[in-house]
Amino acid sequence: NAGVMQNPRHLVRRRGQEARLRCSPMKGHSHVYWYRQLPEEGLKFMVYLQKENIIDESGMPKERFSAEFPKEGPSILRIQQVVRGDSAAYFCASSPYSQIKETQYFGPGTRLLVL
Amino acid sequence: QKEVEQNSGPLSVPEGAIASLNCTYSDRGSQSFFWYRQYSGKSPELIMFIYSNGDKEDGRFTAQLNKASQYVSLLIRDSQPSDSATYLCAVILDSWGKLQFGAGTQVVVTP
Repeated sequence: NAGVMQNPRHLVRRRGQEARLRCSPMKGHSHVYWYRQLPEEGLKFMVYLQKENIIDESGMPKERFSAEFPKEGPSILRIQQVVRGDSAAYFCASSPYSQIKETQYFGPGTRLLVL
Repeated sequence: QKEVEQNSGPLSVPEGAIASLNCTYSDRGSQSFFWYRQYSGKSPELIMFIYSNGDKEDGRFTAQLNKASQYVSLLIRDSQPSDSATYLCAVILDSWGKLQFGAGTQVVVTP
């Protein structure tokens, strides 16, 4: 996971606040995936983005969650009006291509705690 | 619903022994398979990937793929206490490259 940067590493929010999670992919990578790992559960796909485009958001809750990957700057996963059930580890992964055989490298994750 | 199944463990392995982890997947069209290691509180770390039927070796790790049986496994030879972690099997779901993960198998290597 060297090179994929995520911040903050830990984020504490109260119910109803907004959470913004940032991901900078590895150098040369233009494809970003977000995954969520709920406590004691496996990793679940949320959204796949390329620069300025959301390609697949089939794993993302329809309300309160949004993602972007602007032309300049990191990818951002935004959670509005957080609830306790949003407490989880959120991982970003990047790859240079979206080809079916391309491996993804994970960032260190952001651990969100909603009080 | 496409699924990836793993035994949750824990799998207890004496130091120096071989740890054998199994994974089955439901989508017969899957082509790419990955093993990640995740230490508690850390992010997944890629160990191996395999695309073709048969065995693939990398150091103490061997991945085995049998597409006919929809089965992929990971062998860890000469297990060390530092191998104690959760091992995640992952399958690429579609041409966009998104991964579906199994729930993971916890491995505990005992000295």
